[in-house]
Formats: sequence, C-alpha cells, structure tokens
Amino acid sequence: DSGVTQTPKHLITATGQRVTLRCSPRSGDLSVYWYQQSLDQGLQFLIQYYNGEERAKGNILERFSAQQFPDLHSELNLSSLELGDSALYFCASSLTSGRGDEQFFGPGTRLTVL
Amino acid sequence: GQNIDQPTEMTATEGAIVQINCTYQTSGFNGLFWYQQHAGEAPTFLSYNVLDGLEEKGRFSSFLSRSKGYSYLLLKELQMKDSASYLCAPKGRYSTLTFGKGTMLLVSP
Repeated sequence: DSGVTQTPKHLITATGQRVTLRCSPRSGDLSVYWYQQSLDQGLQFLIQYYNGEERAKGNILERFSAQQFPDLHSELNLSSLELGDSALYFCASSLTSGRGDEQFFGPGTRLTVL
Repeated sequence: GQNIDQPTEMTATEGAIVQINCTYQTSGFNGLFWYQQHAGEAPTFLSYNVLDGLEEKGRFSSFLSRSKGYSYLLLKELQMKDSASYLCAPKGRYSTLTFGKGTMLLVSP
C-alpha cells in the first residue's frame, strides 16, 4: 500500500459523458501527478500539481482538466469522452518536486467508455 | 522531447540473472528511475540513479551512464514473482517522469 488513494476503482460510462476521478496523496506529499496508461501507449504523463498550483503539463487533451485543492487532494475531469479514453488512470504523489523524490502511485482508476 | 528505448520482452529462468537495458534521450536530466509494474497494478519504485555508477539494493541493482544516455537494471536470483513489466523513467524538468513502454519479463521455472 503506497498511501495514495484513488476513487473510484472502476468506472463505466458512455461516449460524450463527463467523469471525475479523485486522488488523495500520501500524508505530507505536496506534489500530485496524473498519468494515463493504455495498452498500446504505456504510461503517459498528463499533468502535475504542486501545493495547489499547476507545475507541469504533459500530453493532456483540452477535454481533460485537473485541479489540486487546499487539502492537497486532486481531481481529474474528463469530458466529452471518446472510446479511446478507455484506460487506466494513475495518480502519484511525491514529497516535493525535487530531483530525488520518488513518486508513489495509487492503485488506479480503470475507465471504460462504451 | 524525450525518447526511451527498452526491449519489449525478455525471458529468463528462476534463479538466473537478467539485465534490462534502457537508452534515453532527454532534454533536462534529473536522474533516472526504475519501476516494476505487475499487470493491472500500480508501478512500484525499484531504484533511482542520479550519478554515474552502480546502485545496489538487495537482489536489484541499477547502473547509469549519463554521457551515454544508458542505464540498466540487474535482477539476480530471479523468482517467479519477478515476472512483471519493468519501466525505465528518466526525470526531466520539474520532476516529471517520462516512462518507456516497459520491458515485460517472464520468469519460468
């Protein structure tokens, strides 16, 4: 158990819908990262927040957005869902955004878009 | 941009030693991580190298050569539970990790 929690564990929805994935980082961690993992693409970095502020952006679509709240939990919002958005979405956290900080991954949310 | 190259699959037998290579090209370098991921599960941290050389951690060791853009993960005394995907991830600016597609290791009896 990494100490990072994600809800829900599974999500099944239809194309065109909007969903929200939630992540609670390890106690004391200030940085939260979101990743998407699909079978053919591997783990793709989406976005990073540090202490409430957006820190870095990766391959995140405009239909996706995220935020980190004052209590440091984070939410990833996915809208106008397409079949290709079906994937495992991982959240990770680290103490800071320093060089040696390892990232601890949550168990993931499996999203299925039908 | 960043490019990471790892073998797609490797096989080995229980008790053996296996070396998983990774070459990378990255803009901005703040070290390299290796993670292990079992199918459908979260990646778990194995090792971190920021300076050239070998870091040993029990049955796992990781090597880095920054000038060559090269790293390897060495697994000794292989066990069946080591069957998993191994992800090489150089760290760029702002601590963002770029993951390779991973090397699927299959350990057979």
